[in-house]
Amino acid sequence: KAGVTQTPRYLIKTRGQQVTLSCSPISGHRSVSWYQQTPGQGLQFLFEYFSETQRNKGNFPGRFSGRQFSNSRSEMNVSTLELGDSALYLCASSPEAGGSTDTQYFGPGTRLTVL
Amino acid sequence: GDSVTQMEGPVTLSEEAFLTINCTYTATGYPSLFWYVQYPGEGLQLLLKATKADDKGSNKGFEATYRKETTSFHLEKGSVQVSDSAVYFCALDTSNTGKLIFGQGTTLQVKP
Repeated sequence: KAGVTQTPRYLIKTRGQQVTLSCSPISGHRSVSWYQQTPGQGLQFLFEYFSETQRNKGNFPGRFSGRQFSNSRSEMNVSTLELGDSALYLCASSPEAGGSTDTQYFGPGTRLTVL
Repeated sequence: GDSVTQMEGPVTLSEEAFLTINCTYTATGYPSLFWYVQYPGEGLQLLLKATKADDKGSNKGFEATYRKETTSFHLEKGSVQVSDSAVYFCALDTSNTGKLIFGQGTTLQVKP
């Protein structure tokens, strides 16, 4: 099976712009989670989607949003970019509806640089 | 709230040395515990996991045992290789909704 894919791999934007990142989960996986990774804050959970519904959300401002499509592909959007949004954004998918025993499989990430 | 604490890095070892990376957690309920590894320029790869107390996860020579009494999940390997150089993350999941809580990561550098 193909792994989790994320596009684009690299992005450069300027402050005030908006950006959309895409994630395609492993075939058959229905849950998609997003994380932000920065040197200062480490890995932080953004949100999780299952069956097109957001089930859990981290402590990020409303500028960060996401959605999931019927084929389980997911997008996240960041509006009004700030310098502090520069980070590696990781997407992860897992097979089932929940259960803390599920393993999350991560994509390679999208490196966003805000100038 | 739930949290994970890892030992400070970087950890520098010679090839074939014994590795321990400490991980302790605070959680309500009964979390599943994970170790992920991140190689330079890549995403996270699952290394091993344990879903209940006293479970031992193992993979590629790495092991970790879920110790509920000490709330720990220390990562060990008997003989490290240069190719093991990476950042290691301990994580837990109690939410049943795809939310992993990560430690700050420990950088391992193995020298020939």
